[in-house]
Parts: sequence; structure tokens; C-alpha cells
Amino acid sequence: AQKITQTQPGMFVQEKEAVTLDCTYDTSDPSYGLFWYKQPSSGEMIFLIYQGSYDQQNATEGRYSLNFQKARKSANLVISASQLGDSAMYFCAMRDYTGGFKTIFGAGTRLFVKA
Amino acid sequence: DGGITQSPKYLFRKEGQNVTLSCEQNLNHDAMYWYRQDPGQGLRLIYYSQIVNDFQKGDIAEGYSVSREKKESFPLTVTSAQKNPTAFYLCASSTTGTLNTEAFFGQGTRLTVV
Repeated sequence: AQKITQTQPGMFVQEKEAVTLDCTYDTSDPSYGLFWYKQPSSGEMIFLIYQGSYDQQNATEGRYSLNFQKARKSANLVISASQLGDSAMYFCAMRDYTGGFKTIFGAGTRLFVKA
Repeated sequence: DGGITQSPKYLFRKEGQNVTLSCEQNLNHDAMYWYRQDPGQGLRLIYYSQIVNDFQKGDIAEGYSVSREKKESFPLTVTSAQKNPTAFYLCASSTTGTLNTEAFFGQGTRLTVV
């Protein structure tokens, strides 16, 4: 069965430092996609980055990178040079064929960036 | 502009009443989803639909109903059978058949039982 686990309910980071948000996943399907979304206090969901199960390299999008360790089934989000505007909830998510392409989400990590 | 529109943004319901949340998309996506989010929690899947006139239950479908009569529309009804409906509801859509496209979300509807 599909499952996403985010074990950090809250994280603090100093402005301009890097932070890693953890995500582990479980699926029996060899083909899957992993996503990270940001949810500010306004409630909107903002797509950040995608990693495919067959991608050889870790995905990067600006200050966001995904540390993909397939054997460990982990897909951690790294935010470099944190900014005050990065304070938000962050969700890891997954889609696979077995799950009928539906996207499932983890419980989220609330990130607080300190000035 | 293409996107997903949810309405209303805020909704108040008396106990025992059914209410319907609207979700419309003009992205030409086949798949649409409804999620529930409780304060400080993740998104839990209520219902999803991969094609018109077909939909499947998610993890927490009890007390909810949906219809998918048009590709663009996927309304969610919160029935009186839903014992704790106060939550933030998010509608999303995506393509099907590929894994590498993200879900697009509406702005959400905040439902409060009064």
C-alpha cells in the first residue's frame, strides 16, 4: 500500500542557512513520482519539485533540491539559503500506477525561519 | 488563465444540513480530487475521479458524496452523516496516464459547523 511518512512536525532554521525536511515513502510499484508542495498560511498549495523513480539525478529547482535515496525509500527536500518567506507547511506526496495515479500526502512539516 | 476555482471560500453549516462545495477546472484535466485538511494536519483523500461519470472512494469517504457529470466540475456534498465536518477542503486536478505532472489545487473552502 502507498504511504508517505514525514516525521518532523516542526523545524526551525536560521535565515540564510540550509534546512532538510525528511520524507520516506512506501510503494510496491517500481514506477512512481515524488512531489513536494509548500502551503503558506493562506492555504494555497504550491508545487515545488518533482522526482521520478527512474531519474538518475536528484531534482533541483532554484533553491530547492531533492535528496533522493531510492534504496532507503527516502526523498528529502533541501532548501538552501532559507528566507523568511519560506516559513510554511511543507508536504511530501507520491503518485504511482498501482494507486491509480491518485496523489497521496504525508502529514507535513511546519518550517519556521528565524531572522 | 487556466486553473481551478473553488467556491465559496468560507462556508458555515448548521448541524444536520447538507452543503455542497463547488470545484471547477479549465485545465482540461481528466482527474479531479477532493482532500480534507484539519488544522496542522496533512491532506486526506476523500474522493477522486479519473474520468467523467466515474469516481472512487478515498480514505475518508464516509459522510461525503460526489458527482462527475462534466469533465470540468467535481462538486463535493458534505452530508449530515459526516459527524465532524469542520475542516479545510481542497480540490485538485491532474492529468492521468503519467506520473510526472503535479496536481493543481484550488484556493480551498473553509467549512465551519455552527
